[in-house]
Amino acid sequence: DSGVTQTPKHLITATGQRVTLRCSPRSGDLSVYWYQQSLDQGLQFLIQYYNGEERAKGNILERFSAQQFPDLHSELNLSSLELGDSALYFCASSLQGATNEKLFFGSGTQLSVL
Amino acid sequence: GENVEQHPSTLSVQEGDSAVIKCTYSDSASNYFPWYKQELGKGPQLIIDIRSNVGEKKDQRIAVTLNKTAKHFSLHITETQPEDSAVYFCAATSSGSARQLTFGSGTQLTVLP
Repeated sequence: DSGVTQTPKHLITATGQRVTLRCSPRSGDLSVYWYQQSLDQGLQFLIQYYNGEERAKGNILERFSAQQFPDLHSELNLSSLELGDSALYFCASSLQGATNEKLFFGSGTQLSVL
Repeated sequence: GENVEQHPSTLSVQEGDSAVIKCTYSDSASNYFPWYKQELGKGPQLIIDIRSNVGEKKDQRIAVTLNKTAKHFSLHITETQPEDSAVYFCAATSSGSARQLTFGSGTQLTVLP
């Protein structure tokens, strides 16, 4: 158990809809990362937060947004969903958010867009 | 930006044999190279990492080697066991920057009993 909690584990929705994925980082970790894993794209970095502030942005679509709350949990919002958004979404956390820190990954949210 | 290529994409070995997974990277500024193991239904888990001031690092049956000149690094697993079966990802980044880890495409390792 990594200590990172993601909910829900599975999400099935229709095109055009909006969903929210939730992540609670490991106790003591200040930084949260979101990754998208698909069969043809591997692990793609979406966005990173540190202590409530956005620190780095990767290949995140404009239809996607995220935030980190004062209690350090994070939410990833995906809107106007398309079939191609179907993927496994991982949250990870680290202590200080440095690039050479160990990342602790949650078990992921499997999103299926029908 | 950084580009990490990983080979092979699939690897099957007999239990007890060794397994080697290789990665190459493009950015000569990269200085941190972790390896993550992802078991079915779980998130990736760090198994070993190496920094550019070290050429080799071992942890029991796992070792990683780094050749900065050639810009490649490898994961070696000796005396493989069925529980080693998983997807392995290499990654690269440089410290002190806003860049994130760039992951390889993954290697599905199957250890046959």
